[in-house]
Amino acid sequence: AQSVTQPDIHITVSEGASLELRCNYSYGATPYLFWYVQSPGQGLQLLLKYFSGDTLVQGIKGFEAEFKRSQSSFNLRKPSVHWSDAAEYFCAVGAGGGYQKVTFGTGTKLQVIP
Amino acid sequence: EAGVTQSPTHLIKTRGQQATLRCSPISGHTSVYWYQQALGLGLQFLLWYDEGEERNRGNFPPRFSGRQFPNYSSELNVNALELEDSALYLCASSLASSSGGTDTQYFGPGTRLTVL
Repeated sequence: AQSVTQPDIHITVSEGASLELRCNYSYGATPYLFWYVQSPGQGLQLLLKYFSGDTLVQGIKGFEAEFKRSQSSFNLRKPSVHWSDAAEYFCAVGAGGGYQKVTFGTGTKLQVIP
Repeated sequence: EAGVTQSPTHLIKTRGQQATLRCSPISGHTSVYWYQQALGLGLQFLLWYDEGEERNRGNFPPRFSGRQFPNYSSELNVNALELEDSALYLCASSLASSSGGTDTQYFGPGTRLTVL
């Protein structure tokens, strides 16, 4: 069974600073990887996804993530954070093989200070 | 294109009652997923429906059940409500997985269920 670890429960960054949110996964084959963002009281919005190909994936809102098989990681990055990026971020891994279950990490809450 | 919709937005029930939550997927999507997001517990997978059939369920008791209708909309029923059922219930939809991969799930805004 696959699993996802987001080691940082809460991160605070200053507006304009760079951001990196960590995600480590466990899965025996090539995973399907996702990053979602959730604003308070809202559903999840897809930021980006990796299925295959280029290991650097570009998403919406200026986010990118890099798949590193050797480190079993899929970290999310943004070069300059905006106050509106304050939200909770979830990394997720899918098993593939027609098996649709997606496992989500426990989330990282991002606080942006002026 | 309309996204995933859920109703109601908020639902308040008392212990022992039944709750019914509804979800309409994105047009063209045949798979619907239900998740429970309780405070401090992250997203817990509840149920997956595809083409009207229950394909998989998470580690939840049988009082959590649902169905998918011919138009691919879905209903989640929670019987004999307990206080710990209070949570945000999220519905997601995706295309059917015909390639053997994992299709992207698109989420609705959720239904906030409060059990008193």
